Amino acid sequence: KAGVTQTPRYLIKTRGQQVTLSCSPISGHRSVSWYQQTPGQGLQFLFEYFSETQRNKGNFPGRFSGRQFSNSRSEMNVSTLELGDSALYLCASSILAGVLISYNEQFFGPGTRLTVL
Amino acid sequence: QKEVEQNSGPLSVPEGAIASLNCTYSDRGSQSFFWYRQYSGKSPELIMSIYSNGDKEDGRFTAQLNKASQYVSLLIRDSQPSDSATYLCAVRATNAGGTSYGKLTFGQGTILTVHP
Repeated sequence: KAGVTQTPRYLIKTRGQQVTLSCSPISGHRSVSWYQQTPGQGLQFLFEYFSETQRNKGNFPGRFSGRQFSNSRSEMNVSTLELGDSALYLCASSILAGVLISYNEQFFGPGTRLTVL
Repeated sequence: QKEVEQNSGPLSVPEGAIASLNCTYSDRGSQSFFWYRQYSGKSPELIMSIYSNGDKEDGRFTAQLNKASQYVSLLIRDSQPSDSATYLCAVRATNAGGTSYGKLTFGQGTILTVHP
């Protein structure tokens, strides 16, 4: 079974621009979560989508947004890029959602390395 | 206090030794615990998950969970140079309604080096 795929793998943008990152989950996985990884802050949760609905959101400004399509593919968008947005953006998928004491395991994609100049 | 804390590194062990990685968490409602391995320049790879108190073994890896002490650990037996990586502890809490959403809270990671 194919793993989580993310496109593009690398991006270079300038301040003020916007960017859209894409994630295709493992086949059959319905939940997609996004994370930002930086050397200083580590891995931080951005948001999670299930059935095209955002169920949970991390502590990031409104410039960060996302969506999920009916085929479970997800995109995240960052508007008005800042230098501090340079990071590795990771998408993770899991199979189940919304069950009591879920034991969902999350599997990460290769990430998109974003550099903001 | 950080939500998830891992023992400070880097940790260096000789080949063949046991590497011990520790993690504490602050949210008593946490239900699911995961260990990820991340090689330099790569994304995190899930190596262990544990949900009940006690030990869980998978090959050379053993995860230990003690919910009363809010402590989870990972033991790597017969460490190999290929085990050299950053190990990330991740925790998922369960909401008051009993559902578990897809938010993992990660520790800062422990860098492990296994030298020949």
